[in-house]
Amino acid sequence: GEDVEQSLFLSVREGDSSVINCTYTDSSSTYLYWYKQEPGAGLQLLTYIFSNMDMKQDQRLTVLLNKKDKHLSLRIADTQTGDSAIYFCAETSHNTDKLIFGTGTRLQVFP
Amino acid sequence: EPEVTQTPSHQVTQMGQEVILRCVPISNHLYFYWYRQILGQKVEFLVSFYNNEISEKSEIFDDQFSVERPDGSNFTLKIRSTKLEDSAMYFCASSGDHFGLWYTFGSGTRLTVV
Repeated sequence: GEDVEQSLFLSVREGDSSVINCTYTDSSSTYLYWYKQEPGAGLQLLTYIFSNMDMKQDQRLTVLLNKKDKHLSLRIADTQTGDSAIYFCAETSHNTDKLIFGTGTRLQVFP
Repeated sequence: EPEVTQTPSHQVTQMGQEVILRCVPISNHLYFYWYRQILGQKVEFLVSFYNNEISEKSEIFDDQFSVERPDGSNFTLKIRSTKLEDSAMYFCASSGDHFGLWYTFGSGTRLTVV
């Protein structure tokens, strides 16, 4: 079945860039997503990329997609303490609207 | 900004008891979902609901689970006879389309079965 994997933790200094990585197995993925979860809150959609794109930039966020290697990354430029959260990679494929999530990466930003 | 509201935020129940988790989706959304996250594990899809019927369900969503949209505004998840392994955070979501782009998640209900 489909699987999405992420590393569990990332710690960065405030002002540095963060790169969160994700790999997936479903070759029929249509959309890939990055969600953010802050403590006590729901899952907030940060950005998404369509599977026929290889890059998307949205302010401080850059998403890179390597479809051949089934690798997705989220780069956060100038990381701030408010970026500390859990980041989930997710995907959907063409014949379903269910999201397949990764385990989430806990990003800790220290001053 | 419109929100998906889930109640209660935390529920403790005894094993074998029935629980109903409640959600108020965004009013003009047509697609509704339940997901769960067992502590330390992935967020897992349970069920999707459209046009007053289940459109897709996972293997987890067995006969112990049911969903309902009783009054056109609430969307509920019922677990008939809870087990210890049902302890998890349950997320409700709604969407205006079925491509996943417009999912809005609630903040979740933490269910603890003792």
